[in-house]
Amino acid sequence: TQLLEQSPQFLSIQEGENLTVYCNSSSVFSSLQWYRQEPGEGPVLLVTVVTGGEVKKLKRLTFQFGDARKDSSLHITAAQPGDTGLYLCAGANYGQNFVFGPGTRLSVLP
Amino acid sequence: EPEVTQTPSHQVTQMGQEVILRCVPISNHLYFYWYRQILGQKVEFLVSFYNNEISEKSEIFDDQFSVERPDGSNFTLKIRSTKLEDSAMYFCASRAGTHTNSPLHFGNGTRLTVT
Repeated sequence: TQLLEQSPQFLSIQEGENLTVYCNSSSVFSSLQWYRQEPGEGPVLLVTVVTGGEVKKLKRLTFQFGDARKDSSLHITAAQPGDTGLYLCAGANYGQNFVFGPGTRLSVLP
Repeated sequence: EPEVTQTPSHQVTQMGQEVILRCVPISNHLYFYWYRQILGQKVEFLVSFYNNEISEKSEIFDDQFSVERPDGSNFTLKIRSTKLEDSAMYFCASRAGTHTNSPLHFGNGTRLTVT
C-alpha cells in the first residue's frame, strides 16, 4: 500500500513569514499533485509535478518534486491570510488512482 | 471554467436506509472517481470508473457500495444500507485522461450524516 505523509500537521504563522511543508513517501509516484482545500469545499488543484527534481512556481508558491519522485515540498514566500487552508499532496501511481496525504493545515494570522 | 457538480450538498439519513449521491462530471472527461473524507481525516479513495465499469476500488468500497453512470452525464454513488461510520464528505472527481499531467477535478462534495 502506498502511503504519503505530510509535515507539519498544523502550522500557524504571522502574515509575511515564509514556510515550507513537506510530503514524503517510501513509494515512487508517476506524478504528484498539490491541492488546497477550504472548509466545506472540495480540493482545488494547485500544481502537478511529473519529473524528478522539477521545480514549479505559482506566484509566491514554489513546488519541488524530489529527484527520486518519492517526496515533494511546497514553499510559500511572504504568506498572506488568503493562503490559509488545508494543503494536500496526492501521488499518482501508475494506474488511475491517487493516494492522498493527511494534509497540512495552515493558518496565516494578520 | 467547467466544473464538477454534486447534489445534494447535505444529506441526512437514518441508519439502514439507502442513499444515492449524484455527480455531474466535466463533460469531456473520461475517468470518474469517488473519494470520501471523514471529518478531520484524510481524503480516501473509494472507486474509479472508466468505460462504464469499475477500474479500481479500495477496501472501503464493499458490497454495500455501487456506482453507476445511468446516462451520458450523471455519475452516482449508492450506499445500500447506511451505517453510522458512513458519515463523511463524499467527493466526486473527474479526469480527462490518465496521462501524468491530467489532474483530478473535484466537486464541492456531499456531506452525508447518518443518524
